[in-house]
Amino acid sequence: AQSVTQLGSHVSVSEGALVLLRCNYSSSVPPYLFWYVQYPNQGLQLLLKYTTGATLVKGINGFEAEFKKSETSFHLTKPSAHMSDAAEYFCAVSDLSGANSKLTFGKGITLSVRP
Amino acid sequence: ETGVTQTPRHLVMGMTNKKSLKCEQHLGHNAMYWYKQSAKKPLELMFVYNFKEQTENNSVPSRFSPECPNSSHLFLHLHTLQPEDSALYLCASSQVGGAGEQYFGPGTRLTVT
Repeated sequence: AQSVTQLGSHVSVSEGALVLLRCNYSSSVPPYLFWYVQYPNQGLQLLLKYTTGATLVKGINGFEAEFKKSETSFHLTKPSAHMSDAAEYFCAVSDLSGANSKLTFGKGITLSVRP
Repeated sequence: ETGVTQTPRHLVMGMTNKKSLKCEQHLGHNAMYWYKQSAKKPLELMFVYNFKEQTENNSVPSRFSPECPNSSHLFLHLHTLQPEDSALYLCASSQVGGAGEQYFGPGTRLTVT
């Protein structure tokens, strides 16, 4: 079975600082991995995904993530935080093994950006 | 309309009321999902539909009754809810056979009084 671990519940950075949000996964098959962002009172928006190929994937809003199989990690980074990046971020792994295509989500992490 | 839409965006209902949430996807997908998101709790998958057939029910109480008349529309019928059912209800869709990414609607914020 798949699982996702996002350690901590809150990260605070200064505007312009590096953003690093950690995600570790467990999967019995080669994983498909995703990062989603959720702004207050909105749905989840897909930031980026890894399926196959290049292990460094770029997403929207200047975010990128690197798939590291040896570390079972898929950390999300952004070189310079902006106030508009304040939101909740979810890492997810796809489970395609059964009849249903499902996502297993981490518990999410809240990013705050200080002026 | 583009993407996944949900109506209403906000709903306040008493415990004896009956109401319905509506979701529509404009992405040509063939799988649809209902999730419940409560404060301080992980996202909970409630129901899955593939090609308008229910393929998963995660032990959801019968006071929640889903309906999927076609691959583009999904409803969640609500009756005799409890205050602990207050939450953000999210609808999502995906393409069966794809990589599994789901596209979400904006959610319905439900308050049960």
